[in-house]
Amino acid sequence: AQSVTQPDIHITVSEGASLELRCNYSYGATPYLFWYVQSPGQGLQLLLKYFSGDTLVQGIKGFEAEFKRSQSSFNLRKPSVHWSDAAEYFCAVVNTDKLIFGTGTRLQVFP
Amino acid sequence: GAGVSQSPSNKVTEKGKDVELRCDPISGHTALYWYRQSLGQGLEFLIYFQGNSAPDKSGLPSDRFSAERTGGSVSTLTIQRTQQEDSAVYLCASSLVGQSQETQYFGPGTRLLVL
Repeated sequence: AQSVTQPDIHITVSEGASLELRCNYSYGATPYLFWYVQSPGQGLQLLLKYFSGDTLVQGIKGFEAEFKRSQSSFNLRKPSVHWSDAAEYFCAVVNTDKLIFGTGTRLQVFP
Repeated sequence: GAGVSQSPSNKVTEKGKDVELRCDPISGHTALYWYRQSLGQGLEFLIYFQGNSAPDKSGLPSDRFSAERTGGSVSTLTIQRTQQEDSAVYLCASSLVGQSQETQYFGPGTRLLVL
C-alpha cells in the first residue's frame, strides 16, 4: 500500500539556519508528491509539488524539494529559515486522486 | 472570497447527537474532498466527489458518516450518533477537475468536539 513517512516529529532551528525536512514514500509507479504547510488554526497551503520533469522543484516562500527515486525520498529544504516558517509541514503522495499524508513535522524557530 | 470556505468553524456537540458540516468549494472546481485530522490518526481521506461520478467513499470510517454534494457545488458531511472518537478537525478541499497532479486547495476546517 502507498504510504508516506516523515521520520522527524519535531525539529527546532535557529532563525537564519538552513532546514531540511525528510520525507520517504512507498509507491509502485512514478509518484505525484506534495508538500503542504499548516500554520496554527489554519488550513493546509501547498508549498510545492512534483509529478514529472526536473527533480528539483521550487516552491513558494523560498522552499525547494528534490525527488530522489533511488532513495524514495522527497525532502524539503530552505537555505535560511524565518521565524514565520514555524508551522507543521506535511508530505503527501497521491493515490487515485486522493492525498495520503505523512504524520507531519512540527518546525519550531528560535530567534 | 476565492478560497474554500467551511462552516461552522467550531462545533461542540453531545455524544449521540447528529452534526452537519458544510463546505463551499472554489467556484468552478469539479472535484471536492473531505479529510479528517485527528491526534491519533493524523490526516486521513474520507470521501471524494468528482463531477457527476459516484463518490469515492472508501475512507469513511463507519456507516454513521455520509456526505452529499448538491448541484455539483456545496457539500455537507453528516455524522450521525456522534462518538467521542469523532472529535477532530474536518478539512474540505477542492481541485479543478480532480486529476492526480492537480493542487488540492484546502479550507480552514471545522473543529468538532464531541463531549
